[in-house]
Amino acid sequence: EAGVTQFPSHSVIEKGQTVTLRCDPISGHDNLYWYRRVMGKEIKFLLHFVKESKQDESGMPNNRFLAERTGGTYSTLKVQPAELEDSGVYFCASSQVERGASPSQDTQYFGPGTRLTVL
Amino acid sequence: ELKVEQNPLFLSMQEGKNYTIYCNYSTTSDRLYWYRQDPGKSLESLFVLLSNGAVKQEGRLMASLDTKARLSTLHITAAVHDLSATYFCAVLYSGAGSYQLTFGKGTKLSVIP
Repeated sequence: EAGVTQFPSHSVIEKGQTVTLRCDPISGHDNLYWYRRVMGKEIKFLLHFVKESKQDESGMPNNRFLAERTGGTYSTLKVQPAELEDSGVYFCASSQVERGASPSQDTQYFGPGTRLTVL
Repeated sequence: ELKVEQNPLFLSMQEGKNYTIYCNYSTTSDRLYWYRQDPGKSLESLFVLLSNGAVKQEGRLMASLDTKARLSTLHITAAVHDLSATYFCAVLYSGAGSYQLTFGKGTKLSVIP
């Protein structure tokens, strides 16, 4: 079974440009999460989709970030316009359910991340 | 706000030695996770601990949970080079429809031959 995949693995852009990150969750996982790690800091939650709906977007830093999950499959995270402080590693994770009878059902499985550098 | 503190942040140890990584968290939760990350790779789920006194072991790694003290430990026995990686603990916050993980800063473990 394929794991969570993310594209691209690295992106280098200039301040003010737009970047779109993509995440493909594990097949059959309705729940999709975005996190990011800014250098030297903890991995921080950004938002959570259940199918195509945003369940929780309390971690989104500002309105320059737009996440979508059309059709409830893959998700994109767009940063427009990018700022220097947006540099970091963006992780995507997926889980079968939000809360299950078994931890294996609600464990979040992570992708390798996209390293974003804004110059 | 849930906070997770992990220490040490860096750990250099010799092969064959034992050591423990600590994870303290501030708010009650019924899911505590340990993840491992190799450079450039995904975070790999190692353990999920659910209840007080839970202990799980996989090879040279053993994780335990004390919910009263809000403390989890990851114990490494007789370290080998293959264990070199960054280890994260994460606590699930679930409330008001939210199911987000709060992470510690991670412990970068280097096992030296």
